[in-house]
Parts: sequence; C-alpha cells; structure tokens
Amino acid sequence: GAGVSQSPSNKVTEKGKDVELRCDPISGHTALYWYRQSLGQGLEFLIYFQGNSAPDKSGLPSDRFSAERTGGSVSTLTIQRTQQEDSAVYLCASSLEAGVRGYTFGSGTRLTVV
Amino acid sequence: DAKTTQPPSMDCAEGRAANLPCNHSTISGNEYVYWYRQIHSQGPQYIIHGLKNNETNEMASLIITEDRKSSTLILPHATLRDTAVYYCIVRASGGYQKVTFGTGTKLQVIP
Repeated sequence: GAGVSQSPSNKVTEKGKDVELRCDPISGHTALYWYRQSLGQGLEFLIYFQGNSAPDKSGLPSDRFSAERTGGSVSTLTIQRTQQEDSAVYLCASSLEAGVRGYTFGSGTRLTVV
Repeated sequence: DAKTTQPPSMDCAEGRAANLPCNHSTISGNEYVYWYRQIHSQGPQYIIHGLKNNETNEMASLIITEDRKSSTLILPHATLRDTAVYYCIVRASGGYQKVTFGTGTKLQVIP
C-alpha cells in the first residue's frame, strides 16, 4: 500500500481482556517497529523486526506483550490481560533496510483500557 | 544511538521563521540527523535529514554545525498547521538500530 496501515484506529477494552493490534507496513519494507506513546510522552520503543532475523524484543514492558510478523509483512502486537497502564497510542513504523529516509509511521491505534 | 536534547517547547509567530535547535554532541561519523514532526493525533512524519551539509526541501531547511554536535531545523514561514511536536534523532543510514524518540519540542505557532 501507499502507507503504513494500522487497525483498529481506536480500541476500548475492559481490564483483563486480551487485545490484538495490527500493522500492515509499506510493501517492500523489510524493517518494522512498534512504539508506544502514552499521553504527553515521547515514543517508547517496544519491538523491532528485520527480515528473517530474530526480533529485538528488548523494549517490551512485560511478558503480557508479544508480537509476531507473518511472512515478513503484516505484524500483530498482542497484549494479554490488559491493565489500565497499557492505555496509550501504539504506533507502527516501517523502513527499507538501508533506507536513509528513516521510518514511515502509521496513524496508530489508540488503546483505552477501562 | 547518540542521544539528542531539545527544548521542551517554543512559540513562534505565524509567518515568521521557526528555528528549532537540537544538540547531539555524541553523534558518530556515520550517523545522520533526522527530523520528524507529530501533529496531534497522527503518527510522526518525516521532515528532513542530513549528514554534514545543510539541506533544504519543500518543508524545511536543516543547518548542521561544522562539528556536527548540533543542528537547527528551520521552518521559513511558520503557519498554524506547523503547530506540532518536533523530534530530532540520529541514526546510521543502514542496518538495524534501535532508535529512541525523546519528548521533542512542542512548537506552538501563534496567530
């Protein structure tokens, strides 16, 4: 597609429920990143995928968070047993492996845990 | 990644030039300076990048000091639509790197 697509754009869930957030990167972009942005805060790195290499999961805040990338394209970020502190905007970005223009971000998924 | 420091906020009168500074004193020789901006409720948007020479595109100009330890993003004629948070990051041009975006500079363009 023309840009990075994220769905849903908004998600309200009850505390304790699991949620799945989807990211569809730009076609041909081999690198994919997930970030989290809490209200009024900067972007917090969560996880990175690059081709067939093992992902960098060092930013995941707890074992309730996991992500996968199927076929080197679409990625899903899963949050299990959601907590109120998980409320944030979850942003996905993709880039060419050697791209000098950096990342292209999606519009994000706004997650609200009630 | 080299860390960057930016002022938390700035105001600029509409129609005037907005000059946003960024310090990156530990930048490495192969690291570029990138600028992004985030308008409320949207994902960050690429603006411009440079290595050591000054750069200009349709959105902005980037001035990098000779020692590369700091840079300035210039919006030549700020409009109300330029109100956003501006992020300065440094990263190498290729290969994987875990990039951290700080809290950036919140630019408020005033009518």
